[in-house]
Amino acid sequence: EIVMTQSPATLSVSPGERATLSCRASQSVTTNVAWYQQKPGQAPRLLIYSRSTRATGVPARFSGSGSGTEFSLTISSLQSEDFAVYYCQQYNDWPPLTFGGGTKVEIK
Amino acid sequence: QVQLVESGGGVVQPGRSLRLSCAASGFTFSTYGVHWVRQAPGKGLEWVAVISYDGSEEYYADSVKGRFTISRDNSKNTLYLQMNSLRAEDTALYYCVKDICTDSSCYVFDHWGQGTLATVSS
Repeated sequence: EIVMTQSPATLSVSPGERATLSCRASQSVTTNVAWYQQKPGQAPRLLIYSRSTRATGVPARFSGSGSGTEFSLTISSLQSEDFAVYYCQQYNDWPPLTFGGGTKVEIK
Repeated sequence: QVQLVESGGGVVQPGRSLRLSCAASGFTFSTYGVHWVRQAPGKGLEWVAVISYDGSEEYYADSVKGRFTISRDNSKNTLYLQMNSLRAEDTALYYCVKDICTDSSCYVFDHWGQGTLATVSS
C-alpha cells in the first residue's frame, strides 16, 4: 500500500498570501496524484488531477506540481473561501486508493 | 447537474448489517465507475470500494474485504454497499463518489454525494 504523507498538518496564512502544501508518496506514483478541498460540513471537492490539471470550475490560483514521490499544491493568493482542509490522493497503484492525512489551511 | 444522494445510514450494533444506497442522476450512470469513500468523525478520507461501469469488476480496501459488498443496478441508476459484520471502527460518513472517466475508471473522484452516517455502537 502506498502511504501519502502531507505536510504541514496546519498552515496559517493571511488572506492574499501564497500557500504551498506538500504531499509525499512512499513510492513513486508518477503523476497520478489528485488534490481535494473540504470545507466544514461539506463533501470534498476535486481541485487538481494528473498532478496539475485543474478540474472544471477551479480557479487558476490553484496549481499542482511534482512527480515521482514529491508533490505540491499552491494557492497563489488566498481568498477567504480557500480556508479549508486539503487532501492529496494517489491513483497510480491500487487497490487501495490512498489519501494523505490532510492539511488544514487556516486564517493567520 | 450531477447528483448523488446517499441513504440507509443509521445506528447498528456491532456484528449486525446495514445496506447503503446511492441514487444517481444528471449523468449516464451506466457508463461510469462509482466508489464508496468514508470519513470517520473528525478524521481523514478512506477509500472503501469501487465497482466498474458495468459491474464486472469490484475492488475493496483490505479493512472491509470479505465483509462489505459493492453492487449497482444500472436500470435504477443506483449504487449499493452491503455492510456485514460491522465493527465500531466502521463508524463513518459514507460518501458515494463518481469516477471522472467514462467506461474505464480513472480512480479520480469528480463528484461526491453529501454522505450518509453509519454508526456502529452497542
